[in-house]
Amino acid sequence: QVQLQESGPGLVKPSETLSLTCTVSGDSMNNHYWSWIRQPAGRGLEWIGHIYTTGTTKYNPSLKSRVTVSVDTSKSQFSLRLSSVTAADTAVYFCATGYSFAENWGQGSLVTVSS
Amino acid sequence: DIQMTQSPSTLSASVGDRVTITCRASQSISSWLAWYQQKPGKAPKLLIYEASTLESGVPSRFSGSGSGTDFTLTISSLQPDDFATYYCQQYNSYSPWTFGQGTKVEIK
Repeated sequence: QVQLQESGPGLVKPSETLSLTCTVSGDSMNNHYWSWIRQPAGRGLEWIGHIYTTGTTKYNPSLKSRVTVSVDTSKSQFSLRLSSVTAADTAVYFCATGYSFAENWGQGSLVTVSS
Repeated sequence: DIQMTQSPSTLSASVGDRVTITCRASQSISSWLAWYQQKPGKAPKLLIYEASTLESGVPSRFSGSGSGTDFTLTISSLQPDDFATYYCQQYNSYSPWTFGQGTKVEIK
């Protein structure tokens, strides 16, 4: 079964860019969709976007102007960049796999936006 | 975007109870609905997809039903491991994924 692990800075300053990487193991990245989902503390889930292994992306319109998701199959990784962050972007960020729904999830990475 | 509304927000129940959670979509999503279980500090776990298909390894006491705009998740006999928060998620291909606000199942 595929396993996913998020990594990246836990603290980002306001107006800067949040960057996270998800490392995939246990299966090939080929022919799969890879997603980012976030969850502010004590709140619900928000889908950020996904990427196919060919590089085709789809983003949540509410975040589209600030989001970039990329994939590097040679490293078995995909990444999230979220620009111009504010305190409202403080959340646990999950990576996951699945085209229509999230079949497998990483454990999550808490990112706090604060000066 | 398609809005998903779950009810109730919190549910108090006892071990052995039959529990039903409702999820309503703001427009028809056919059967493109998934259910997840999330425990504190953990990632959500997929339970059901396509409204009623049980994910491999999920106990048969979980079941899903519905189509169009109204869906339910039923736990036939609540077990201690089932106390958690449950989320529905729609995956209509023309809309971004959206989740319900969650239903917390608490011990009565």
